[in-house]
Amino acid sequence: GAVVSQHPSRVICKSGTSVKIECRSLDFQATTMFWYRQFPKQSLMLMATSNEGSKATYEQGVEKDKFLINHASLTLSTLTVTSAHPEDSSFYICSARDFGRGGLDTQYFGPGTRLTVL
Amino acid sequence: KQEVTQIPAALSVPEGENLVLNCSFTDSAIYNLQWFRQDPGKGLTSLLLIQSSQREQTSGRLNASLDKSSGRSTLYIAASQPGDSATYLCAVKAYTNAGKSTFGDGTTLTVKP
Repeated sequence: GAVVSQHPSRVICKSGTSVKIECRSLDFQATTMFWYRQFPKQSLMLMATSNEGSKATYEQGVEKDKFLINHASLTLSTLTVTSAHPEDSSFYICSARDFGRGGLDTQYFGPGTRLTVL
Repeated sequence: KQEVTQIPAALSVPEGENLVLNCSFTDSAIYNLQWFRQDPGKGLTSLLLIQSSQREQTSGRLNASLDKSSGRSTLYIAASQPGDSATYLCAVKAYTNAGKSTFGDGTTLTVKP
């Protein structure tokens, strides 16, 4: 199957700093990527849809000025958590949308990034 | 708005048992349904993906079924092993251009040796 990578896998930062997380599709081009957040013992919640060359679409309740998304190329989307606070500590997972395999719409998930804000 | 429910929330079984995990969804207009496994502190491992036109998919000891009309999917695990212990998530993908997926809360499975 297709491969999606995330970097870093784990990051610890001080409150008030900004953190950038990268999501890359390694062997296919993805015009659409999705960003999810998962709190401990909870399921994945979609934060936003990242569209190559255009603005991201945010889910209700997600602050677009706090979670900046840039999808500058067909293989890279970045999520920047600005002025991070302890309540932003979470597991962030991206997925990339691929239509290349028989024309089927398939999502491939990255391994996740564990963010801890002190 | 699509809602996905997984029952039970937690399940503990002795090794060797066959078991069934359930996933239900409210909007039957789906593109596909996918079952994942998640180990503690780790990302998602895709287990089975069922397209809306399919009724079931099988991989090894796993079998997933899909009944769109009733809004249900089941994941059957045969001859469970301690290594099967994990959280199992189902995700339903919408049949729209947006292609968003909605996840259930998961079933945490413990298989005791």
